[in-house]
Amino acid sequence: TQLLEQSPQFLSIQEGENLTVYCNSSSVFSSLQWYRQEPGEGPVLLVTVVTGGEVKKLKRLTFQFGDARKDSSLHITAAQPGDTGLYLCAGRAFDMDSNYQLIWGAGTKLIIKP
Amino acid sequence: GAVVSQHPSWVICKSGTSVKIECRSLDFQATTMFWYRQFPKQSLMLMATSNEGSKATYEQGVEKDKFLINHASLTLSTLTVTSAHPEDSSFYICSARRIGGLAGTYNEQFFGPGTRLTVL
Repeated sequence: TQLLEQSPQFLSIQEGENLTVYCNSSSVFSSLQWYRQEPGEGPVLLVTVVTGGEVKKLKRLTFQFGDARKDSSLHITAAQPGDTGLYLCAGRAFDMDSNYQLIWGAGTKLIIKP
Repeated sequence: GAVVSQHPSWVICKSGTSVKIECRSLDFQATTMFWYRQFPKQSLMLMATSNEGSKATYEQGVEKDKFLINHASLTLSTLTVTSAHPEDSSFYICSARRIGGLAGTYNEQFFGPGTRLTVL
């Protein structure tokens, strides 16, 4: 069974601070996705990282895929109240038919206080 | 493009009744759709994989007779919660897989907005 451990599960910080969320696994994923979910809504895809060591930036958000494609991190610089939400990582694992399932992390509830 | 809708967005029902939730891919065809359940402040839990024209594949521990899935067309999958009980109250989210491009260069899941089910 593939597991994806996400930490921290809850984080409350002041506006302007930096933070990092981690997703770790003992399994190798073909790619890894990060989602953000607002209360009462479905998750929205932020980014997909595919290559080991890949770094992608989305404004103040920096996503990194580990060299071995077993772990990933999300770093937010100068967090804003608008960044508040549930952040989910999901690793893609392919089955025999070349279709993939998403292995989900537990989620990180992020609160940015003004 | 790649929009997935769910209907209803929220529903309240009495214990013992059945509730149907629809998931539609609005601008693409989806041979595969997924149904998830999410409890407050928790991650998504995959319930079943819905394949157009065939039976759904249920995850371990999910009762197929309680959560009926029908995927009769390439743009619609339905989840029916039969004989609902208060413990079935949850946030149900569907996603649809879009495959396309040259040699299947993209293979993405797009999520619906979710349906909040409350069983009294």
